[in-house]
Amino acid sequence: GEEVAQTPKHLVRGEGQKAKLYCAPIKGHSYVFWYQQVLKNEFKFLISFQNENVFDETGMPKERFSAKCLPNSPCSLEIQATKLEDSAVYFCASSPHPADTQYFGPGTRLTVL
Amino acid sequence: KQEVTQIPAALSVPEGENLVLNCSFTDSAIYNLQWFRQDPGKGLTSLLLIQSSQREQTSGRLNASLDKSSGRSTLYIAASQPGDSATYLCAVVRGQGAQKLVFGQGTRLTINP
Repeated sequence: GEEVAQTPKHLVRGEGQKAKLYCAPIKGHSYVFWYQQVLKNEFKFLISFQNENVFDETGMPKERFSAKCLPNSPCSLEIQATKLEDSAVYFCASSPHPADTQYFGPGTRLTVL
Repeated sequence: KQEVTQIPAALSVPEGENLVLNCSFTDSAIYNLQWFRQDPGKGLTSLLLIQSSQREQTSGRLNASLDKSSGRSTLYIAASQPGDSATYLCAVVRGQGAQKLVFGQGTRLTINP
């Protein structure tokens, strides 16, 4: 597709439950990024992929967060045992070339109660 | 550690005015800089990307400049319209490869009819 697609749009989980978010990058884009937006405008980088390979995961709280980009499947971001502070909007972005323009999806709003 | 700052945090101007949004970054070793707009409850829309070797980029009423040596970028909006009301974010990429964006906190712009 010509736009980055993210599902679901909203997700509500009780504390301790699992959450799984999906991202379909723009067709032909090899690079995928996940960002977390908290407190309105504070964007935090989580992880990036080059095709199905993790490129940079320095932003990931590894004990509870995991992500995958498998061939012919949407990319996914999974949070095991969600905490209240995981409440945020999670954005996926894709890019056709290294360090090129990143195109963002509409985001998934996760609310942890 | 790269830090990106945007001033002012909020700006309100009458329709038709020309305006400048500012972005500064602490590490001048950047690969490129992107300007985005974010409408309430929406994802990011890429406005302009400036490569580190460039001084400016233009798109319609928007002009972005980059001065790497001083760690500054400006976004100039000509003949502002109410539809320009949004939050504007700048973000820098440090190097080639699937490099993460480091975002500023954004400037919330309101154009009054």
